[in-house]
Amino acid sequence: ETGVTQSPTHLIKTRGQQVTLRCSSQSGHNTVSWYQQALGQGPQFIFQYYREEENGRGNFPPRFSGLQFPNYSSELNVNALELDDSALYLCASSLGGTVSYNEQFFGPGTRLTVL
Amino acid sequence: GNSVTQMEGPVTLSEEAFLTINCTYTATGYPSLFWYVQYPGEGLQLLLKATKADDKGSNKGFEATYRKETTSFHLEKGSVQVSDSAVYFCALSDEGGAQKLVFGQGTRLTINP
Repeated sequence: ETGVTQSPTHLIKTRGQQVTLRCSSQSGHNTVSWYQQALGQGPQFIFQYYREEENGRGNFPPRFSGLQFPNYSSELNVNALELDDSALYLCASSLGGTVSYNEQFFGPGTRLTVL
Repeated sequence: GNSVTQMEGPVTLSEEAFLTINCTYTATGYPSLFWYVQYPGEGLQLLLKATKADDKGSNKGFEATYRKETTSFHLEKGSVQVSDSAVYFCALSDEGGAQKLVFGQGTRLTINP
């Protein structure tokens, strides 16, 4: 069984640019959540996709957007990058997007640096 | 809004010492509670969870009990090992709606031989 994978591992961008991060969910999982983890902090929920629809959003501006594909993989897009967007971006997959106690399986993350 | 407060770190202990990492939460309703662990260079892994009051989650010698009266979910282990060195995150998930995890700030644990 393949776990959650993310690409790329590391990324360096400059302010104002746009970035796309990718996530492949664990086999059989239909829900993908994205989190931002700033250095020394806990992860912050960005949004969740369940069966290709956005199923909840955290306190992030609209320049953070996403997609989920029919195979349940997902993309996170960030436009107009700001220095504060520098963080580790974590993807997590799970089953049944509305069941609060289901385990989320996390990928290793993409480290984004904005200069 | 919902929030999780964890014991400030870092925490340094000797091998075989007793571990407690405090976690308290603020939430409406009846959230599910989790402890996640992040080993160096690895992603977050679920350590244990509890879904209702008085439930005890346990795994790998770690335990935590869901205490609704004190809104707490403290992590304990009777005898820590060097391999337990990691960052530990307490988290909650609201009932219903999206599986949105709200995390504490994390506690870095270092175990010395």
